[in-house]
Parts: sequence; structure tokens; C-alpha cells
Amino acid sequence: AQSVTQLDSHVSVSEGTPVLLRCNYSSSYSPSLFWYVQHPNKGLQLLLKYTSAATLVKGINGFEAEFKKSETSFHLTKPSAHMSDAAEYFCVVSPSGSARQLTFGSGTQLTVLP
Amino acid sequence: KAGVTQTPRYLIKTRGQQVTLSCSPISGHRSVSWYQQTPGQGLQFLFEYFSETQRNKGNFPGRFSGRQFSNSRSEMNVSTLELGDSALYLCASSLGNIDYGYTFGSGTRLTVV
Repeated sequence: AQSVTQLDSHVSVSEGTPVLLRCNYSSSYSPSLFWYVQHPNKGLQLLLKYTSAATLVKGINGFEAEFKKSETSFHLTKPSAHMSDAAEYFCVVSPSGSARQLTFGSGTQLTVLP
Repeated sequence: KAGVTQTPRYLIKTRGQQVTLSCSPISGHRSVSWYQQTPGQGLQFLFEYFSETQRNKGNFPGRFSGRQFSNSRSEMNVSTLELGDSALYLCASSLGNIDYGYTFGSGTRLTVV
């Protein structure tokens, strides 16, 4: 069984300040972990993925995440927020190996203030 | 390289009708998955197909079904529509191994009235 908990349903930051979106996971298997972003009325875009290689994963648009097995966490960070980062972010877990079923967190809505 | 294409983008149906949604994956991708997104339940897995075989199924009633064709295109069908089926239905394609991740389409917005 696997599950994902996104610890904040809403996060608000000022433009140019750091972003931290928190995610904890639970998985019976060695997991693969993903962060996806969804802009209004759009599909999901992959930001980054962890698949048992380096624990610090760099993604698109300056985002990165660190896999911490001891803390079962996979928090998403960005050093400096941009207005275009305003969107909903989903942390996702799946058993590693063949593509099966993704389990999504409930999402974090990021607001970026001018 | 074309992305994942879902048609139609928007649909309005009445209760009791049935609907078919289509998904064309990225060329070369053999895995297609379907997800339902609603404000109340979030994103929930419906089913996954690989090389025309259903490999995994989520916890949805039998009114929800799908299939995959030899060219990897997939369709999902919902029969006897209920108001609660109103949702954004997302399709995702993959090479078949989770390490490659999934690419999602823009979705089909289904409204049941």
C-alpha cells in the first residue's frame, strides 16, 4: 500500500522569496516519487522525478526536491518564486519498476504575491 | 514530438447517457492510464493499459471501462452517467516503466446534467 500526504493545502509567498512545498509518503515498496504542477484548466506537467538514483533531484524551472528515506519526505523547493509559479502542485508516489498506478497527494495551491 | 492528445476537450451529457473519451499517447508509448479529477476526491486512478491489456484497475464501479487498441490509442467509456461523474478525466502515457515517468494530456472536462 502507498499514500502521500501534502502537509499544506495552501502556501503563499512573495515574488523572489523561497518556496517550500512539503510532502511525506508511505510505501511498502521502494518508491518512485514525482512532483507535478497543474495550471488552471490545464493538464499535469512533470516537474521532477526520483527513481532511486541521486537523492537530490533537479527539475524544470529551477525546482528541486530531496528524497529523505529516514524522514519519508520528498519536499519541493525553489530558491526564488516567480509569478508564473502560481499553480497547484501534486506530490505523487508509485512503486518503482513497471508503470502501474500513481497515487496523488491532495495538492498544494501556491500563490505568489507581487 | 506530439504530446498526449485527448478528445473531446469538453462534453456535456445528461444523466443515464453513456460517453466515450479518447486518448492518443505519445508515439512509441505503450502504457496508457486514466485518472479522474474532482474537487472533492482529488486525482484518482481508474485503470492502466499496456499493449492492449489492462494491467491495473482502480476502485471504480463497473460502469467505468476502457480498452486499448493495437496502435496504443485508448478509449474509456462510462455508462449510465450520474451527476457525480462530472469531472476532469486525464489520460497519461508512458513507455511502460515508471522510471520514465508519465506524460499527461490536457484532459476531457465532462459535465453531467
